[in-house]
Amino acid sequence: DSGVTQTPKHLITATGQRVTLRCSPRSGDLSVYWYQQSLDQGLQFLIQYYNGEERAKGNILERFSAQQFPDLHSELNLSSLELGDSALYFCASSPGDGGFGYTFGSGTRLTVV
Amino acid sequence: GDSVTQMEGPVTLSEEAFLTINCTYTATGYPSLFWYVQYPGEGLQLLLKATKADDKGSNKGFEATYRKETTSFHLEKGSVQVSDSAVYFCALKSNNQGGKLIFGQGTELSVKP
Repeated sequence: DSGVTQTPKHLITATGQRVTLRCSPRSGDLSVYWYQQSLDQGLQFLIQYYNGEERAKGNILERFSAQQFPDLHSELNLSSLELGDSALYFCASSPGDGGFGYTFGSGTRLTVV
Repeated sequence: GDSVTQMEGPVTLSEEAFLTINCTYTATGYPSLFWYVQYPGEGLQLLLKATKADDKGSNKGFEATYRKETTSFHLEKGSVQVSDSAVYFCALKSNNQGGKLIFGQGTELSVKP
């Protein structure tokens, strides 16, 4: 157990739907990161939150949004889902800005049918 | 923009063989460099890191040296085991993009008994 908890582990949904992925960071970590892992794109950085504020943004689609709550857990919302959104979504956390590496969760596998 | 290039896999070795996985990077300034490992069905785990030129990261028999002159961070292990079979990712963290990590495409290692 890495200390980063992601739920659900698996999610199957239809095109056009909206889903929410949840992440609880390791105790004491203030930064949360979201990554998408797919066979064709590899690991892509989506977004980072630090203590509730957006800190860095990657190639996150407009259909996707995220937030970090006062208790530091984070949610990634994916809407108007397309087949191409099927991927593993990882959350990671770190104490600060990740200068010494992250701790990853085990991921949420999203399948859009 | 910043990028990481890894040697393509899969790499297949016999137990006790010497391992090298090449990684080169493109970045402005002085990034931090990382190797992560992903076992089947799991999230990524930090294997080792180096934060400045000529630093050597090491862990579990794996080593990598930050070579600024060749912009490389090759992963080595003197004697691999079956349990080292996994996907290995090289990554960099720039100094001006928050905590964002840029990953290489990953190299799959398979170690046969």
